This record gives sequence, C-alpha cells and structure tokens, in this order.
Amino acid sequence: AQSVTQPDIHITVSEGASLELRCNYSYGATPYLFWYVQSPGQGLQLLLKYFSGDTLVQGIKGFEAEFKRSQSSFNLRKPSVHWSDAAEYFCAVALGGSQGNLIFGKGTKLSVKP
Amino acid sequence: GAGVSQSPRYKVTKRGQDVTLRCDPISSHATLYWYQQALGQGPEFLTYFNYEAQPDKSGLPSDRFSAERPEGSISTLTIQRTEQRDSAMYRCASSLEPAYEQFFGPGTRLTVL
Repeated sequence: AQSVTQPDIHITVSEGASLELRCNYSYGATPYLFWYVQSPGQGLQLLLKYFSGDTLVQGIKGFEAEFKRSQSSFNLRKPSVHWSDAAEYFCAVALGGSQGNLIFGKGTKLSVKP
Repeated sequence: GAGVSQSPRYKVTKRGQDVTLRCDPISSHATLYWYQQALGQGPEFLTYFNYEAQPDKSGLPSDRFSAERPEGSISTLTIQRTEQRDSAMYRCASSLEPAYEQFFGPGTRLTVL
C-alpha cells in the first residue's frame, strides 16, 4: 500500500539556522508530491509541489524541496529559519489519475529557538 | 468565495448524537475532498466529490458516516450515532479538478464526550 513516512516527529532549530525535513514515500510509480504547513488554528497551506520536470522545486516563504527518485524522497529545506516558521509540516503524495486524493505523512513539528 | 470555509469551527457533542459538518468550497472548484485528522496524525482521506457525483467512499470508516453535495457546491458530512473515537479534526479541501492543487479549509474540531 502507498505510504508516506516522516521520520522526525519534532525538530528544534535555532533561528537563522538551516532546516531539512525528511519525507520518504512508498509507491510503484512517481507520484505527485506536496509539502503543506499547518499553523495553529489555520488550515493546511501548500508550500510547494512536484509533478514532473526539474527535481528541485521552489516554494513560498523561501522553502525548496528536492525529489530523489532513487531514494524515494522529497525532503524540504530552508537555508535560514525564521521564528514564524514554527509550525507543523506535512508531506503528502497524490496518486494522480482521475482522483487525486492525498496520502499524508504524520507530520513534523518544527520549533524555533531564538 | 475567496477560500474554503467550514462550519462550525468547533463542535462538542455527546456520544450517540448525530452531527453535520459543512464545507463551502471555492466557487469555481469542481472537486471537493473530506479528510479526518486525529490528534498527532496526518489527515486521512474519507471521500471526494466531482461536482455532485461521489466516485469514492472508500475512506469512510463506517456506515455511520455519509456525505453529500447535492448541487455540486456546498457539501455536508454527517456522522450518525457519534462515538468517542470519532473525535478528530475534519478537513475539507477543494480543487479545480481532480489531481490538481487542493486548497484546505480551517477544519472543524469535533469532540465527542
């Protein structure tokens, strides 16, 4: 069955430090890949997506992610974290085709130290 | 509308009662999804609509759960005879078409006592 793994439940980084959140998926073909951010009391906001083409994708708020087919990974990165980035981050895959429902990982909670 | 809205934002009910949650998608969007998010978990797919058609109900946990979208716009999710295990955040999302980017509403936090 298709699945998404986010191995880190909680990560703490210092403000200004770099960030990498890990995501691995299990699927026979290349799925559509997404990163969403969830702030308290807010809905899920799309940070970036990968459908095809260039494997390094740029998103909003200075985030980027790299799709590595050989590792079945889609890790999220940011060179310098801001205090406002503290939130929960979800990686998701869509199986494409005619349906498009998302399969989410369990999320990684990011805390930012001043 | 400008975004996806959901109501109520919070719902507390007693075990055995029925509840109905509402989702108002972005007006131009054909596709609407419902997800259930338990505490500490990612959202899990329940069902989706393409206009008023409901091609996939496979994620609904039991026959106590039902959803409708009679005019292809607003959707409701009804849970009959609620149980404590139904306590979760229920999220609605809409997209222009299936497999396009999904826009999420703020969710409804359901607590069953």
